[in-house]
Amino acid sequence: AQSVTQLDSQVPVFEEAPVELRCNYSSSVSVYLFWYVQYPNQGLQLLLKYLSGSTLVKGINGFEAEFNKSQTSFHLRKPSVHISDTAEYFCAVSVRSASKIIFGSGTRLSIRP
Amino acid sequence: DGGITQSPKYLFRKEGQNVTLSCEQNLNHDAMYWYRQDPGQGLRLIYYSQIVNDFQKGDIAEGYSVSREKKESFPLTVTSAQKNPTAFYLCASTFDWPAGAYNEQFFGPGTRLTVL
Repeated sequence: AQSVTQLDSQVPVFEEAPVELRCNYSSSVSVYLFWYVQYPNQGLQLLLKYLSGSTLVKGINGFEAEFNKSQTSFHLRKPSVHISDTAEYFCAVSVRSASKIIFGSGTRLSIRP
Repeated sequence: DGGITQSPKYLFRKEGQNVTLSCEQNLNHDAMYWYRQDPGQGLRLIYYSQIVNDFQKGDIAEGYSVSREKKESFPLTVTSAQKNPTAFYLCASTFDWPAGAYNEQFFGPGTRLTVL
């Protein structure tokens, strides 16, 4: 079975500072990895996904993530955050044979002016 | 515009009542999902359906029921057997067959259910 762990429930950061949201996964087979964003009182929206190939994945809104198989991680990064990035971020994992994906518990990103 | 709609946005239920949450999509997606979201617990899968007239239990199906009579609709009923139904409910859909594990899930705006 697969699982995903988001190590930080909340991450406060100053505006224009860099940020990293951490995600680790567990699986005995090859995985597909996702990052979703949820703005307050809304549904989730896909930021980026890793299926195969290049380990550095670029997404929307200036976010990127790096797949590290040896460390079983898929951390999300942005070099300079804005107030509008205030949201909850979810890491998710799936595998080829699955018909569903497993979500992490989420990381709430709060931006201080 | 293509997308997923959920209604109502807010729903209040008295104890002992059944309530039905609506989810409709016009994306022509095969698979649909219902999630429950509680603070600090992420999303937990309630039910999912990969094809019309078929659905499977997720991780927390007890106290819930669903139907999939049409491709575009996947209503969720929260029954009186669900002891703690106050939560935010999200519906999602995706292209599924033949290999859906890598497909993006599209989410509706959610329904917030409160038990009075």
